[in-house]
Amino acid sequence: DAKTTQPNSMESNEEEPVHLPCNHSTISGTDYIHWYRQLPSQGPEYVIHGLTSNVNNRMASLAIAEDRKSSTLILHRATLRDAAVYYCILAGDTGTASKLTFGTGTRHQVTL
Amino acid sequence: DTGVSQDPRHKITKRGQNVTFRCDPISEHNRLYWYRQTLGQGPEFLTYFQNEAQLEKSRLLSDRFSAERPKGSFSTLEIQRTEQGDSAMYLCASSLDRGAPSYGYTFGSGTRLTVV
Repeated sequence: DAKTTQPNSMESNEEEPVHLPCNHSTISGTDYIHWYRQLPSQGPEYVIHGLTSNVNNRMASLAIAEDRKSSTLILHRATLRDAAVYYCILAGDTGTASKLTFGTGTRHQVTL
Repeated sequence: DTGVSQDPRHKITKRGQNVTFRCDPISEHNRLYWYRQTLGQGPEFLTYFQNEAQLEKSRLLSDRFSAERPKGSFSTLEIQRTEQGDSAMYLCASSLDRGAPSYGYTFGSGTRLTVV
């Protein structure tokens, strides 16, 4: 599985935008970039995913570099509920990927 | 549908005992996954099912571990002769095979196992 590199931890101020980076220099052409987050005492939660183009949904935006070797998860306005571990994962698409391989993620804290 | 349910939420057992966990996936999801997570680490893949067929097992899944999904709906994960190293959070997830993982996995809240 292609690997991703994320900062161990990041801190944001409440109501400020958050940019969580992820490097994936060995990404293959068929790898999608997926983001999950895990709140304390809960299972991971799907956030967003993309292949080449930037993506937006109700939770976040995903900005993908033109060469696809890095990406950034953008939370538009941090709230206390956004304090979680964020995982950037590379995986295939429809029917081709059987599992997600998690790293240690970025522990994101939100301060008042 | 209330999402993926796992039971029990917590289990404390003595070393050497057998334990069984249950996972009820989202009803229309045909794929079901088991993961294990230890403190400070990301979840580690254990195994997955497509309907009732177990299609992949990690080498982490020793012969003391067995998983079943008899009718393609709920699944059980059994650990025999538990060891202290089995203490972890056991997570279950489900998804649809078409578009999976493009449409995302839905995880349960996990079963926390403590072996004393």
